[in-house]
Amino acid sequence: AQSVAQPEDQVNVAEGNPLTVKCTYSVSGNPYLFWYVQYPNRGLQFLLKYITGDNLVKGSYGFEAEFNKSQTSFHLKKPSALVSDSALYFCAVRAPSGGSYIPTFGRGTSLIVHP
Amino acid sequence: DVKVTQSSRYLVKRTGEKVFLECVQDMDHENMFWYRQDPGLGLRLIYFSYDVKMKEKGDIPEGYSVSREKKERFSLILESASTNQTSMYLCASSLRYSTGQSKRGYQPQHFGDGTRLSIL
Repeated sequence: AQSVAQPEDQVNVAEGNPLTVKCTYSVSGNPYLFWYVQYPNRGLQFLLKYITGDNLVKGSYGFEAEFNKSQTSFHLKKPSALVSDSALYFCAVRAPSGGSYIPTFGRGTSLIVHP
Repeated sequence: DVKVTQSSRYLVKRTGEKVFLECVQDMDHENMFWYRQDPGLGLRLIYFSYDVKMKEKGDIPEGYSVSREKKERFSLILESASTNQTSMYLCASSLRYSTGQSKRGYQPQHFGDGTRLSIL
């Protein structure tokens, strides 16, 4: 069975500082990995994905994520946080073959960026 | 841009009522999903449909049913609403998944803005 863990319910960071939102996964074979963001009273918006290739993936709004196969992690990062980045962030994993082909989501991490 | 539209942003119903939540997507996506979102529990899949009239149960199908008579529309039905079904409901769509390294296999999901349903 595939699974995703987001170990932090909440991350607090000061505006202008770098941010990291953590995600670890468990899946058979090479994973497809996704990050989504949810602003208040809105649905989830796709940020970025890892399929294959470079371990550092760049996405929307200046976010990037680093795939680490040995640590089974896919942490979301941004060099300089903005107050407007405050939102709920979800990591998701999908196995390309075998297992469930439907993505599994983590429980979400609330990012709060302080002015 | 893909647009996924949920018919109601807020809905208040009474215990025992039959409740219909509607979702329409405009990008000819094969896959459609219904999730519920609760604080601390993340997204939980209720039902999934990969084609017209086709459906698969997700993690928490009890108390729910779905209907997909047209490709663009996916309806979630609460047969007899109960207070524990008070939640945020999210609809999503995507291209059909396939095994292996097919380009379609890793298309992201596109979400509607959600329906906040309260059962009194």
